Amino acid sequence: AQSVSQHNHHVILSEAASLELGCNYSYGGTVNLFWYVQYPGQHLQLLLKYFSGDPLVKGIKGFEAEFIKSKFSFNLRKPSVQWSDTAEYFCAVTGSYGNKLVFGAGTILRVKS
Amino acid sequence: ETGVTQTPRHLVMGMTNKKSLKCEQHLGHNAMYWYKQSAKKPLELMFVYNFKEQTENNSVPSRFSPECPNSSHLFLHLHTLQPEDSALYLCASSQGVNEQFFGPGTRLTVL
Repeated sequence: AQSVSQHNHHVILSEAASLELGCNYSYGGTVNLFWYVQYPGQHLQLLLKYFSGDPLVKGIKGFEAEFIKSKFSFNLRKPSVQWSDTAEYFCAVTGSYGNKLVFGAGTILRVKS
Repeated sequence: ETGVTQTPRHLVMGMTNKKSLKCEQHLGHNAMYWYKQSAKKPLELMFVYNFKEQTENNSVPSRFSPECPNSSHLFLHLHTLQPEDSALYLCASSQGVNEQFFGPGTRLTVL
């Protein structure tokens, strides 16, 4: 069965610190990968996605993620976080030809100003 | 303004009640989804509809009954729920296998 593992449930950083959130998936085929974000009081929205091509993908608000096929990983990074990045971040995967999204448990990021 | 709307935003119901959740998407998408978001658990896919046809039922109990009358509307009919069904129910839509757009959710409390 497909599964997604996010390494940390809670992360606390100071402003300007660098961020890396881990995501590993288990899936026996080619995949589409996503990071979604849920800001406090708001609904889930797409941060970035990988379907094919350059394994380093850039998303909104300075976020990027790198797909490493050999490690089944899709880690999210940002070089310098801001207080407004405080949110819950979800990694998700689906097969390339399907739309059955499987989500990780989420990582709650708190950025201290 | 999100392209996916959900009503009601909050719902409190007893275990013997019957209620319905409504979702509408204004994005012209051909697929719609119901998810359940419980505290400390991953988002769980419940149902998938492609072109109004149900293509996925993720072992959801029969007390949850989805309905998709057209590609823009999705309902979740609820009856004889249990307290453990209390959660945030999210609707989403997509164009095929592209990214899914989520609504704000309905916060359901079952007493």
